[in-house]
Amino acid sequence: NAGVMQNPRHLVRRRGQEARLRCSPMKGHSHVYWYRQLPEEGLKFMVYLQKENIIDESGMPKERFSAEFPKEGPSILRIQQVVRGDSAAYFCASSLGQKNTEAFFGQGTRLTVV
Amino acid sequence: GENVEQHPSTLSVQEGDSAVIKCTYSDSASNYFPWYKQELGKRPQLIIDIRSNVGEKKDQRIAVTLNKTAKHFSLHITETQPEDSAVYFCAASKGNQGGKLIFGQGTELSVKP
Repeated sequence: NAGVMQNPRHLVRRRGQEARLRCSPMKGHSHVYWYRQLPEEGLKFMVYLQKENIIDESGMPKERFSAEFPKEGPSILRIQQVVRGDSAAYFCASSLGQKNTEAFFGQGTRLTVV
Repeated sequence: GENVEQHPSTLSVQEGDSAVIKCTYSDSASNYFPWYKQELGKRPQLIIDIRSNVGEKKDQRIAVTLNKTAKHFSLHITETQPEDSAVYFCAASKGNQGGKLIFGQGTELSVKP
């Protein structure tokens, strides 16, 4: 079991470009969560997805950010028109199901906006 | 919504001493409380968790206690070692929200040899 896989590990984008972050959950996991960690800060919940459904997006910024988890393929976190303040580590986690099962984290994608 | 406060933000101990990190939560419906360890540049890794139907859980040198009435929970590390140095995060979630975790601000633990 390869664990939660995120790519790329590091991503550099110029202001105004788009960033696409990918997350493949652990085998058998159908629940995916995205978190953002700003430098020297804790992890902030962004969005919770199941296959083809957004369950909770209460932590997503209202503009420029979107997420999906299609029937086939990885979950994608998309940031349009990136700004310097988007620079952060973005972590994906996956779990088996709803009832308080352990969430396993990926290695994260470190986004730098220049 | 849920809010989790974590103290202290930094903690320095001598090797062999104990370390205690405390968290409080606001939502009485929260019922799952994991602790994660994050080394510099790496992913958060679960080290121990506790559910609201128990008051204490222990795993070798690590223990967690939960006081539901006061809405606080604590991490205890005994016989600390230099490799325990990392940032530790507490978190809380509710059963009907799956793995949506609300994290504390983190505690940077430094164990001096």
